[in-house]
Amino acid sequence: ETGVTQSPTHLIKTRGQQVTLRCSSQSGHNTVSWYQQALGQGPQFIFQYYREEENGRGNFPPRFSGLQFPNYSSELNVNALELDDSALYLCASTLQGSYGYTFGSGTRLTVV
Amino acid sequence: DQQVKQNSPSLSVQEGRISILNCDYTNSMFDYFLWYKKYPAEGPTFLISISSIKDKNEDGRFTVFLNKSAKHLSLHIVPSQPGDSAVYFCAASEKWAGAQKLVFGQGTRLTINP
Repeated sequence: ETGVTQSPTHLIKTRGQQVTLRCSSQSGHNTVSWYQQALGQGPQFIFQYYREEENGRGNFPPRFSGLQFPNYSSELNVNALELDDSALYLCASTLQGSYGYTFGSGTRLTVV
Repeated sequence: DQQVKQNSPSLSVQEGRISILNCDYTNSMFDYFLWYKKYPAEGPTFLISISSIKDKNEDGRFTVFLNKSAKHLSLHIVPSQPGDSAVYFCAASEKWAGAQKLVFGQGTRLTINP
């Protein structure tokens, strides 16, 4: 049983640029959530995807967007990057209705 | 507004003793609580959970206690081992629009001393 894999592991971008982060969910899971973890803080919910649609969003602006594909993998896109977007981005997958979330190792994004 | 709080940023415990990590929450709509352990350069790993209708759940060396009236939960690790050194996050689950989202505390760094 494979876990959640995220790519890339590290990324450096310039303010104003756009970035795409990728996530492959655990086998058997159909729901993907994305979280942002700033330094010294707990992860914060960005949004969740189920059946290729966003079904819940946290307190993040529209320049944070996502996609879920038929194989349940997912992308997180961030437009017009700001310095405060520098963080660890975590993807978590689960079976809809279950509390058994499996997290990936994350993508460390640095905006300069 | 921090709905889940872990007021101790760090905790140091002697190997073999009990480690107690605490977490407070404010939202009475949370229906499930989870503890995650995180090593550097890795994602959070699920440790143990408890439903809001229970007051205790035990799994080997790990026990989670929930006091709903006080809106407080704690994780007990007995006996503590050096491999338990990590950052521990308390998380609470709530229905958010059509999603189930986790609300995390800030984490407590646990260090087990030999």
